[in-house]
Amino acid sequence: NAGVTQTPKFQVLKTGQSMTLQCAQDMNHEYMSWYRQDPGMGLRLIHYSVGAGITDQGEVPNGYNVSRSTTEDFPLRLLSAAPSQTSVYFCASAHDPYEQYFGPGTRLTVT
Amino acid sequence: GEDVEQSLFLSVREGDSSVINCTYTDSSSTYLYWYKQEPGAGLQLLTYIFSNMDMKQDQRLTVLLNKKDKHLSLRIADTQTGDSAIYFCARPYNQGGKLIFGQGTELSVKP
Repeated sequence: NAGVTQTPKFQVLKTGQSMTLQCAQDMNHEYMSWYRQDPGMGLRLIHYSVGAGITDQGEVPNGYNVSRSTTEDFPLRLLSAAPSQTSVYFCASAHDPYEQYFGPGTRLTVT
Repeated sequence: GEDVEQSLFLSVREGDSSVINCTYTDSSSTYLYWYKQEPGAGLQLLTYIFSNMDMKQDQRLTVLLNKKDKHLSLRIADTQTGDSAIYFCARPYNQGGKLIFGQGTELSVKP
């Protein structure tokens, strides 16, 4: 099993550009989540999904969209990148909802 | 999230015990979790404790829970340089497999 994979590992965007961060898991987990990690703030939940076709907002959803068309994939879309979205983004999946498996992260810089 | 709080830094000498503390505000949490993040990597579940327990021991790790004071601690015995990492405590957030994380405590182990 590859576990949870994320691409790209690094990305630099200009303000106003859009992009999609990819996340995939091969463990047949129902639960998937996106978090952002900022210094001194821990991880904050952006969006989550409890199964294919079902998504909902977390603590900091503004500026991000998600979809869950398959069990395996949970892409995160930045609609119009802003410098405040400079962060490290982690995708996580879980079978038991609270024992989460994390991907290696995507480091995003918005200039 | 502000309702799970940790101090940001802890420095110990190799061989000493480390104690990482966490306070939380929501007393209804059924489980409380400790995650470990090594440099440049995602988070991994280290251990957890059910809310009706006071203590849980797992090899060098001891988790203590004081429900009255809403205080959780992680003790690492005989700390090694490989224990250097950021440690996050987390609690469930509403339902649907979401977690609220503390800010993370960066543990530095000096030889």
